[in-house]
Amino acid sequence: AQSVSQHNHHVILSEAASLELGCNYSYGGTVNLFWYVQYPGQHLQLLLKYFSGDPLVKGIKGFEAEFIKSKFSFNLRKPSVQWSDTAEYFCAVNPGYSSASKIIFGSGTRLSIRP
Amino acid sequence: DVKVTQSSRYLVKRTGEKVFLECVQDMDHENMFWYRQDPGLGLRLIYFSYDVKMKEKGDIPEGYSVSREKKERFSLILESASTNQTSMYLCASSPQGAYNEQFFGPGTRLTVL
Repeated sequence: AQSVSQHNHHVILSEAASLELGCNYSYGGTVNLFWYVQYPGQHLQLLLKYFSGDPLVKGIKGFEAEFIKSKFSFNLRKPSVQWSDTAEYFCAVNPGYSSASKIIFGSGTRLSIRP
Repeated sequence: DVKVTQSSRYLVKRTGEKVFLECVQDMDHENMFWYRQDPGLGLRLIYFSYDVKMKEKGDIPEGYSVSREKKERFSLILESASTNQTSMYLCASSPQGAYNEQFFGPGTRLTVL
């Protein structure tokens, strides 16, 4: 069965530190990839997505992610985090054969930023 | 503005009760989804629907059923609530197509006593 792995369950950083959150998936075919964010008390929202083209994808609030097909990875990065980036981050994968937009979520990474 | 609404933010029920969670979207989306979110487990798909009156089981359908009589509304039903169904329930919708993002509602925190 397809799966999505987020190896970091809780990451704690100081403001201005650089961020990289790991995401690996198990499906070998065409995939569509997403990062969602859930700020405290708010609903899940899309941070960025990849479905074709340039493997380096830029999203909202200065986030970016790089799709590396050979490593089955889609890691999320931000060069300098802010206290307002405190949130839970979810990687998600849609295997390209699924026309119903069904996606598989990772277990999430909680990011805490020290002011 | 895109909107998915859920009938309750917080709900407390007793074991054995029948529970209805309602979700409405105003974006004319074909697909609708119900997830439960538990710490350390991420989001797990319970059921989804790709058209009115159509439904498919997700990864954890046991103990749940769904209903989609109108395009904009997708209901999750717990036939006989149990304590292990205490969780955060999230509804989402999306247009047809594997590359489209899902839009989420605010969630319903259900506690079963």
